[in-house]
Amino acid sequence: DGGITQSPKYLFRKEGQNVTLSCEQNLNHDAMYWYRQDPGQGLRLIYYSQIVNDFQKGDIAEGYSVSREKKESFPLTVTSAQKNPTAFYLCASNTPSGVTEAFFGQGTRLTVV
Amino acid sequence: RKEVEQDPGPFNVPEGATVAFNCTYSNSASQSFFWYRQDCRKEPKLLMSVYSSGNEDGRFTAQLNRASQYISLLIRDSKLSDSATYLCVVISAAGNKLTFGGGTRVLVKP
Repeated sequence: DGGITQSPKYLFRKEGQNVTLSCEQNLNHDAMYWYRQDPGQGLRLIYYSQIVNDFQKGDIAEGYSVSREKKESFPLTVTSAQKNPTAFYLCASNTPSGVTEAFFGQGTRLTVV
Repeated sequence: RKEVEQDPGPFNVPEGATVAFNCTYSNSASQSFFWYRQDCRKEPKLLMSVYSSGNEDGRFTAQLNRASQYISLLIRDSKLSDSATYLCVVISAAGNKLTFGGGTRVLVKP
C-alpha cells in the first residue's frame, strides 16, 4: 500500500537536545512538506522540497533543518535553537505539478521535558 | 494580511441543520483549492477538491469565487460525526507551495 509514514508517533526531548523526525513516502511524489501545528491552531509551513537535493524555507524555519537526499525521505531536525518545540509535526507530499491533493503522515507529537 | 484566512469558529450547529463557511485567499494567481477535515489530534484528511464550476459530494458542496477570492464549504443535514475542524488549502500558482488556513471548527449538537 502506498502512503506516507512518520516516526516516531510520540517523541520526548530534553532541553538543549537536537532530535530528528522521520518522514518516508512510497507514493513517488516529488514534493514534500513539513508543518507544525500548535493546539487549537492551523498548520504552519516549516520547510518544503520540490525535488531531491533542494528545499526551501517556509514561514517558520528558524530552529529547524531538513535534508532531501532521497526522493522518498524528508527528515526534519528540531535543533536546540528552536525555543518552543513542543508541537504536533505533520509531513505531507504531493505530485510535482502541485495541483493534486497532499497526503499526510499520521504526525509526530514532540514534547520537551 | 494572512495568505489564507478562515473564521476559526466554533460554529455550533444543531443536528440536521445546514452550515456554511468561507476561506479567503490573498494571491489571485492561486491555482488549486481543497478542503480538508481534521479530527482532534489526528492528521488532516482530504474532504474534497474545489473546482471553478463548484462541486458536490453527498451532503457537502464546495464552491470557488475567483472574483472575490474565496472558497466555501456547505454541509447539509449535519451529522454528529461532522464535528471537526475544516481546513482550506490553497496551492500557489507555481504549484510549489501548499498554504493552509487556520481552520474552522464545527460542533454539531443533538
